[in-house]
Amino acid sequence: AQSVAQPEDQVNVAEGNPLTVKCTYSVSGNPYLFWYVQYPNRGLQFLLKYITGDNLVKGSYGFEAEFNKSQTSFHLKKPSALVSDSALYFCAVNAGGTSYGKLTFGQGTILTVHP
Amino acid sequence: GAVVSQHPSRVICKSGTSVKIECRSLDFQATTMFWYRQFPKQSLMLMATSNEGSKATYEQGVEKDKFLINHASLTLSTLTVTSAHPEDSSFYICSASPMIRRGGTDTQYFGPGTRLTVL
Repeated sequence: AQSVAQPEDQVNVAEGNPLTVKCTYSVSGNPYLFWYVQYPNRGLQFLLKYITGDNLVKGSYGFEAEFNKSQTSFHLKKPSALVSDSALYFCAVNAGGTSYGKLTFGQGTILTVHP
Repeated sequence: GAVVSQHPSRVICKSGTSVKIECRSLDFQATTMFWYRQFPKQSLMLMATSNEGSKATYEQGVEKDKFLINHASLTLSTLTVTSAHPEDSSFYICSASPMIRRGGTDTQYFGPGTRLTVL
């Protein structure tokens, strides 16, 4: 079975500071990892994904994430946070051959960026 | 590209009635679509996987006779909540991938969601 954990329910940062939203995963096969962002009463917007290749993945809106196999982590980062980045962030995993497209989501992390 | 729409965005209905929610991939074909349910301040719960031209695959605990899914074309899937009750009130979100193959890792793109309120 695959699972995703986002250990922080909330993350608060000041505008202009770097931000990190943590994600760890557990899968039996090769992990395919995703980050999505959700604004209030909206669906999820795709930010980035890791399939294979470079461990550092760059995505939309200046976000990036680093895949760390030894630590089974896929933390989301941004060098300089904006107030408009405030939203709910989800990490998700698809174990590829065993899950055939099904995503398992973490519980979500509320990011608040203060002016 | 990769836009998914849902209709309606918001619906209020009386208990006992049925509600249909449409999910459309606007600029790509999707052989597989997914239906999720999200409670306030919680994560997404996968309800079912919808495959074009075949029966949907429901997750454990999801009543297939209550949540009817039809995937009639490569761009349209519908979720019908039959005999809705207040406990069915929730935020329903669909997703679709431009291409799904066994063992595939294609990105799921999500619709904007439908807020269902059952009185």
